[in-house]
Amino acid sequence: GQQVMQIPQYQHVQEGEDFTTYCNSSTTLSNIQWYKQRPGGHPVFLIQLVKSGEVKKQKRLTFQFGEAKKNSSLHITATQTTDVGTYFCATNTDKLIFGTGTRLQVFP
Amino acid sequence: EAGVTQSPTHLIKTRGQQVTLRCSPISGHTSVYWYQQALGLGLQFLLWYDEGEERNRGNFPPRFSGRQFPNYSSELNVNALELEDSALYLCASSSGGGAGTGELFFGEGSRLTVL
Repeated sequence: GQQVMQIPQYQHVQEGEDFTTYCNSSTTLSNIQWYKQRPGGHPVFLIQLVKSGEVKKQKRLTFQFGEAKKNSSLHITATQTTDVGTYFCATNTDKLIFGTGTRLQVFP
Repeated sequence: EAGVTQSPTHLIKTRGQQVTLRCSPISGHTSVYWYQQALGLGLQFLLWYDEGEERNRGNFPPRFSGRQFPNYSSELNVNALELEDSALYLCASSSGGGAGTGELFFGEGSRLTVL
């Protein structure tokens, strides 16, 4: 079945540093969604990208969908301790599957 | 407006037992998804229900089953529990329209421990 890989698996950064997680698929994706799961919490929807090359911004977060619609990235500028959590990408074929996730730790 | 609610929040079972987990979607949502999340790991797709019908299931054995009721609430049943079934079971709802066409709203989950 379709798999969506994310890298890196873990990332530790100093507060104020930037962070990027990448989502890669071997097949073309119809869309990509991004979720954030805080430690001990449940996933919360961040955004959905649909168009090839699409870029969306939410404050310090920048989301990008690749031109070939096989990859996506989430970039956080100047991380804060509130950014701690696991970031998942997700995509649908005939079901919504989640990527492997990137766990972000931010040190003050 | 109430979010997705799941019950129970925590439960402990022993190997071989059966468990039923319940989920109430957000009012007006017709799609319900179930995911399994083992400790520290990702979300594994279990089941998708829409308008009372099972639309798709993930790569889990038949002892994982469920149903969706006319009011769109859902149950997940796991028979013959095994140790590796210990996980957080997350339910999510969406307004329908096909898998992945809209955001999922997740409940807090049911934490199952199998001893």
